[in-house]
Amino acid sequence: EIVMTQSPATLSVYPGERATLSCRASQSISSSLAWYQQKPGQAPRLLIYGASTRATGIPARFSGSGSGTEFTLTISSLQSEDFAIYYCQQYNNWPPLIFGGGTKVEIK
Amino acid sequence: EVQLLESGGGLVQPGGSLRLSCAASEFIFSRYIMTWVRQAPGKGLEWVSSISGSGLSRYYVDSVKGRFTISRDNSKNTLFLQMNSLRADDTALYYCAKLGSRPSAGWFDSWGQGTLVTVSS
Repeated sequence: EIVMTQSPATLSVYPGERATLSCRASQSISSSLAWYQQKPGQAPRLLIYGASTRATGIPARFSGSGSGTEFTLTISSLQSEDFAIYYCQQYNNWPPLIFGGGTKVEIK
Repeated sequence: EVQLLESGGGLVQPGGSLRLSCAASEFIFSRYIMTWVRQAPGKGLEWVSSISGSGLSRYYVDSVKGRFTISRDNSKNTLFLQMNSLRADDTALYYCAKLGSRPSAGWFDSWGQGTLVTVSS
């Protein structure tokens, strides 16, 4: 079974700075990767699918890259509403659908 | 806008049963794979079960196989999760989620707000 590992567990960033989040798959998943944002008390929200395609309504400051086993979510200039937990999820040859453990982006 | 509204959660004793429901609207329900995802308190997301649009194909995470049953009623635009032999580690917020619109979609483009299941004596 594929294991998804996110790093770091917590990322402390100043508002306006760039944030780079990593997600690694234990075996190749091609570009079958999605990213979600979850704020306290809310359901997750889809940000990126296909490793790099922004979902409807997602601001351009969010970008995804990577393929195979290494993926990155970049937030180019953090806004106050971006402080949240971010999850990656693989969907190559599922089931199962597997989420990473999450990266919490907090205000520095 | 897609609407997903879960219900049926609550407090149940270990070994007990619950049936969760998810009422869907604003999309053609029968065309989409639907899924239950759970989140234990303070923890990450875990895929639980998915069902094809027709209801003929069903998939489960190993930890719930034989205990949970996913089903759907396309005439009522409703998704269900029958949970039997509940254990303490089933305690979680259970989300209903819709898979994306593309044929190869394995991502979740819409989520409900969740229903809380607490298994405790």
